[in-house]
This record gives sequence, C-alpha cells and structure tokens, in this order.
Amino acid sequence: GAVVSQHPSRVICKSGTSVKIECRSLDFQATTMFWYRQFPKQSLMLMATSNEGSKATYEQGVEKDKFLINHASLTLSTLTVTSAHPEDSSFYICSARRGRANNEQFFGPGTRLTVL
Amino acid sequence: AQKITQTQPGMFVQEKEAVTLDCTYDTSDQSYGLFWYKQPSSGEMIFLIYQGSYDEQNATEGRYSLNFQKARKSANLVISASQLGDSAMYFCAMREGSLGANSKLTFGKGITLSVRP
Repeated sequence: GAVVSQHPSRVICKSGTSVKIECRSLDFQATTMFWYRQFPKQSLMLMATSNEGSKATYEQGVEKDKFLINHASLTLSTLTVTSAHPEDSSFYICSARRGRANNEQFFGPGTRLTVL
Repeated sequence: AQKITQTQPGMFVQEKEAVTLDCTYDTSDQSYGLFWYKQPSSGEMIFLIYQGSYDEQNATEGRYSLNFQKARKSANLVISASQLGDSAMYFCAMREGSLGANSKLTFGKGITLSVRP
C-alpha cells in the first residue's frame, strides 16, 4: 500500500507554455501533499505544502504565481508551471502524508521537466 | 547554518560488507524526527528508516540501522551486508518540532553510495 503516482513522468515543452503535473495517492487519502524540486545530483528543495481544500503554503523564494498548486481532493494535487522557461527545467517530486499523526511521507516517482 | 549536513564524498563499499553513511543535524527543538531515504537512478525516493528524538533505542529496519547519537546530533545510517542494488543516492532528512499538519522535511545534500562486486 501507500503508492503515490505522478503524471507525466517526463515532459518536454516550449518556453512560454504551461505544464501541469499531477500527483495522486492511489490507495490512501493524503491530508497533506508536498512538492519538491531537485536539480541534478542535488538535494530536494521543498517548494510548497498543500492541504486538501486550502491554499498551499509556499516556501520562501518560490513564486506562487508561477508554480500554481491545487489540492482539490484527498487523493490529487496538481502543480502547474506557468509560462515555463529553461531555468524551470528540473525534476519535480511530490510526496503525500497519510493522516496528520503519521510521520512517513510517500514519494511519487518524479516528473522530469525540460523546457526548450 | 545547515540543518542537515552530509559531507562524505562518494562512498564505495565491497558487496556483502557493511557501510556507514554520516549525517549530522542542527535543531533547537526538543521534538524532531530523522529520516533516511534512498534515491536510485530512476529518481524515486524510497523511505528506509525513521528515528524519533525521544526514541531511546536505535531504529532498525532489516539491513538498515540508525546510529542515533543525540548529544552529538548525529544520525548515521548503517547498511549491513551491502548488495549491488544498494548503489544509489542516500538522503538524510529532519522534521523539526512535533508532527503537525504542515510539518515538513529538510533534506541534506545526499551521499552517493556505490557497491562493488
């Protein structure tokens, strides 16, 4: 159990377009979902935390108008990279926590975004 | 100051031997949690082991054990009987404060482990 999926796994887009990445918890309800960004051979940097039905909490330095996060249900969160530019190319990973009293975060397989 | 420090360069270990991956942390909270994750080349993050700040015993999960030295603020991961499939990046992470709705993880820079046949 505790599977998190991400779609798409890989996306290539032109500069200026918007890209939506979906994160789903397949067999549990995720009260909280997290979005991370990872550059090659570097650490995961938390972008934002989202709770179902409320606005996401963004980390300092993350543009909320550029990285739109929607957590519409207990099993789905989406990250939309608006007007993508080459510097937005990165590996985006979501994770989901099951229940408020649960330590463990279950990670999705990640989405590799390449902006041309 | 960095909250999670992983300073080892790429690590190499012979198959079937044990290896220790270092992690030190910095927090003023009394309640916190420490995690280790494995990230193979495919990119997925795999949870390995968890240690709570109030846990008196070192955590163990199969071949993984966490050497928790609270006074030194270190939480080293020990992998016993290394396997070729253990080759991956390993991240140490910390959750500060008590578990709450928005409690989040801070990750270290990671360590690359290569297991030699």
